[in-house]
Amino acid sequence: DAGITQSPRHKVTETGTPVTLRCHQTENHRYMYWYRQDPGHGLRLIHYSYGVKDTDKGEVSDGYSVSRSKTEDFLLTLESATSSQTSVYFCASRSFDTEAFFGQGTRLTVV
Amino acid sequence: AQSVTQPDIHITVSEGASLELRCNYSYGATPYLFWYVQSPGQGLQLLLKYFSGDTLVQGIKGFEAEFKRSQSSFNLRKPSVHWSDAAEYFCAVGAEGGSYIPTFGRGTSLIVHP
Repeated sequence: DAGITQSPRHKVTETGTPVTLRCHQTENHRYMYWYRQDPGHGLRLIHYSYGVKDTDKGEVSDGYSVSRSKTEDFLLTLESATSSQTSVYFCASRSFDTEAFFGQGTRLTVV
Repeated sequence: AQSVTQPDIHITVSEGASLELRCNYSYGATPYLFWYVQSPGQGLQLLLKYFSGDTLVQGIKGFEAEFKRSQSSFNLRKPSVHWSDAAEYFCAVGAEGGSYIPTFGRGTSLIVHP
C-alpha cells in the first residue's frame, strides 16, 4: 500500500474556528488532491497540487485553502469552519501516468 | 469537462449471483478509467484501471470491466459475488495524459444477501 497518512483522523470543531488537515505521503508523488465525501455526492474535488507551491482550485473550493511547501505534505485549511463543511475528507496522491492512492480519510464535524 | 454517471445508487444481489455495476462517462477523447471500492470507514482501494490497450480489464478480487467507446461506458462485473464484496463502488475518469485529475461518480452501494 502507498504510504499516505491523514491527520487527524477525527475532529470536532466549533463554527467559526480555523481548521487544518494534513496529508503526508512517503511515495514522492508529484500530484496530490483533496476531496470531500458526502452522501449522494460521491467525492468532490476541493483543491489539487501538481508540485511544490503549485496548487489550483477544484469544483468545491469556496471556504478552503491549501498549501504545499514540501513534496510530501499537502495541507487543507478551513479558514472559518461552517456546518456545511462537516464531511469526510480524503487526500490522494499519485505519480505521473498512474492511478491515485488514497489516505484513510478525516471525519470532520463542525458544531 | 469530464464527468461520470453511476445510475444505480444501490444494488442488491444474492451471494453467488453475478454482478454488473454501470458507469457512463463524458469526455471528448479516450479517457483513463478506474473503479475503486470503499469499505465502511476506510479509504478507497483501486480495483482496476484502463489506460489503453485491451478493452477488457482484469482487476483484483475477481472483478473485471470492459471499456466500450461507442457506449461511453466502463461497467464493472463479477461472475459470483461474495458477502465480503458488500461496499461502496466508485467509477472515476481522467483525461488521457499524465497530469489528469480524477473525477468520481456518486458511487453505487452494493448490498449482498446471504
